[in-house]
Amino acid sequence: GQQVMQIPQYQHVQEGEDFTTYCNSSTTLSNIQWYKQRPGGHPVFLIQLVKSGEVKKQKRLTFQFGEAKKNSSLHITATQTTDVGTYFCAGTAGNNRKLIWGLGTSLAVNP
Amino acid sequence: GAVVSQHPSWVICKSGTSVKIECRSLDFQATTMFWYRQFPKQSLMLMATSNEGSKATYEQGVEKDKFLINHASLTLSTLTVTSAHPEDSSFYICSAITPGRMAQYFGPGTRLLVL
Repeated sequence: GQQVMQIPQYQHVQEGEDFTTYCNSSTTLSNIQWYKQRPGGHPVFLIQLVKSGEVKKQKRLTFQFGEAKKNSSLHITATQTTDVGTYFCAGTAGNNRKLIWGLGTSLAVNP
Repeated sequence: GAVVSQHPSWVICKSGTSVKIECRSLDFQATTMFWYRQFPKQSLMLMATSNEGSKATYEQGVEKDKFLINHASLTLSTLTVTSAHPEDSSFYICSAITPGRMAQYFGPGTRLLVL
């Protein structure tokens, strides 16, 4: 079946360091979405990428969608303690609105 | 905009009882809602897709007679865990999508503990 792999599973950084999480899909995706879940909270939608090779920025966060629409990355520049949480990528394939979720990357930031 | 509420946020029940969880879209009409289950430090597991006015579509391995889903209106979907057992203890989260958009907006979740 369709799978989305996400690495790393955990990342521990010092405040101010950069952070990147990567997603790889076994199939071509129609779009990829990124969500953030704080400890004890629920997933919150961050962004959606649709076009091949698309790059979007939100302040210190940079999101990329690969040319083949099978991989994506989220890069955080100069992490802050407020960035702590688990970042999930999730994609859709075809016209299906169901999301295929990655396993998430848990980010811990040392002040 | 795109606020989803979920009630209750916490529930503790005895084994064998049924528990109903409500998911409401507060400021938009949601033709489709999703029900997820999440275990500690794990990803979200989709249980079913709920479409207003029609039967829910369950994922493989999810018992539809165990997890009853009703999407009676464009703003409300309910999940009833029937004859709950300790292994049903989990974090249940609903999400909704607005017409024409793909992003899912999540409710705050319901933590169920079955004793």
